[in-house]
Amino acid sequence: TQLLEQSPQFLSIQEGENLTVYCNSSSVFSSLQWYRQEPGEGPVLLVTVVTGGEVKKLKRLTFQFGDARKDSSLHITAAQPGDTGLYLCAGAGGSQGNLIFGKGTKLSVKP
Amino acid sequence: ETGVTQTPRHLVMGMTNKKSLKCEQHLGHNAMYWYKQSAKKPLELMFVYNFKEQTENNSVPSRFSPECPNSSHLFLHLHTLQPEDSALYLCASSQDHGDRAFFGQGTRLTVV
Repeated sequence: TQLLEQSPQFLSIQEGENLTVYCNSSSVFSSLQWYRQEPGEGPVLLVTVVTGGEVKKLKRLTFQFGDARKDSSLHITAAQPGDTGLYLCAGAGGSQGNLIFGKGTKLSVKP
Repeated sequence: ETGVTQTPRHLVMGMTNKKSLKCEQHLGHNAMYWYKQSAKKPLELMFVYNFKEQTENNSVPSRFSPECPNSSHLFLHLHTLQPEDSALYLCASSQDHGDRAFFGQGTRLTVV
């Protein structure tokens, strides 16, 4: 069974701090997506990483795909309250061709 | 706005009611999905439609019945639900099966 483990499960920080969340698996994925979900809303796609070792930046967010395409990290610099939400990673190339989702990291940024 | 629209946004129904959730996508995607999201659980894939054909049913109880009349529309028909079925139901679409998914805003369902 392919699994994506996300850590930490919960993270509460002050505005201005930096943070990193992780998405790990023992399986190889053809690509990996990161989503952010706000309460009562659907997940919104942030980025897709495809190549092992790839780094993508989206303003204060930096996404990295591991060299072996089994893991990924999301680093946020100078977090703001607007970054609050549930961050989900999803791997493509799973069994039966479906996306495999992690359980998510719930981030709370306090002003 | 992701191009995937779900209605209604909120639904409260009794256990003997019959209701339907609707999803519409304007992205020209070929695959559509229903997911269930409960508190403290990861997203659960319920159904997959690829080119209007159901390709997956993840052991979902028969009280949930999907319908995909065309590649732009997806329904989830609900009948005789249980309180534990209360959750956020999310529709998603992707260009092809397994590609990055675009989600609707979800329907918050409460079964009383």
